[in-house]
Amino acid sequence: NAGVIQTPRHKVTGKGQEATLWCEPISGHSAVFWYRQTIVQGLEFLTYFRNQAPIDDSGMPKERFSAQMPNQSHSTLKIQSTQPQDSAVYLCASSLDGWGEAEQFFGPGTRLTVL
Amino acid sequence: GDSVTQTEGLVTVTEGLPVKLNCTYQTTYLTIAFFWYVQYLNEAPQVLLKSSTDNKRTEHQGFHATLHKSSSSFHLQKSSAQLSDSALYYCALSFSNYQLIWGSGTKLIIKP
Repeated sequence: NAGVIQTPRHKVTGKGQEATLWCEPISGHSAVFWYRQTIVQGLEFLTYFRNQAPIDDSGMPKERFSAQMPNQSHSTLKIQSTQPQDSAVYLCASSLDGWGEAEQFFGPGTRLTVL
Repeated sequence: GDSVTQTEGLVTVTEGLPVKLNCTYQTTYLTIAFFWYVQYLNEAPQVLLKSSTDNKRTEHQGFHATLHKSSSSFHLQKSSAQLSDSALYYCALSFSNYQLIWGSGTKLIIKP
């Protein structure tokens, strides 16, 4: 089992550029979560898919962030017009069924640096 | 609102001494499970402990925690700290739908 795969591991963008982050969940897992992690804010929930359907995007900054899950094997997080405050580690996690008792398995994260 | 509180942002312990990381929570809803996640440097968070039973001790990798609903706590403990325990520890609780409420994290440093 390869675990959750995230690419790229590091991404550097200039202010105003677009960044697309990729996540491949563990095969057989039906739930995918995106988080943002910074030293100041800690772990912040962004959005959640179950069976590819968006369930909750309450943590997403509405204007520039979007997430999709076009098929069961990958999800993308897109940040338009990146700003320095978007610099963070973006973590993707998957769980077997998305319900409360299910453990979330995290990918290694994508470290985004916006210059 | 629902919340998980980890009072210590940083805990420093000498190798061989006991460790206790505090976690308390507040919620008016039915909770399903409680977790401790550990994140080693430059790695992803991973589950360390999970519990859903009141007053039952759960153990893994030398760590243990007991859910006490009467005091709304799920503290993490270890009797003898090892250098390799240095990491960031998150407490989290979950509800029936999926939502995980995360604590702010406690950085544990074990010094020789």
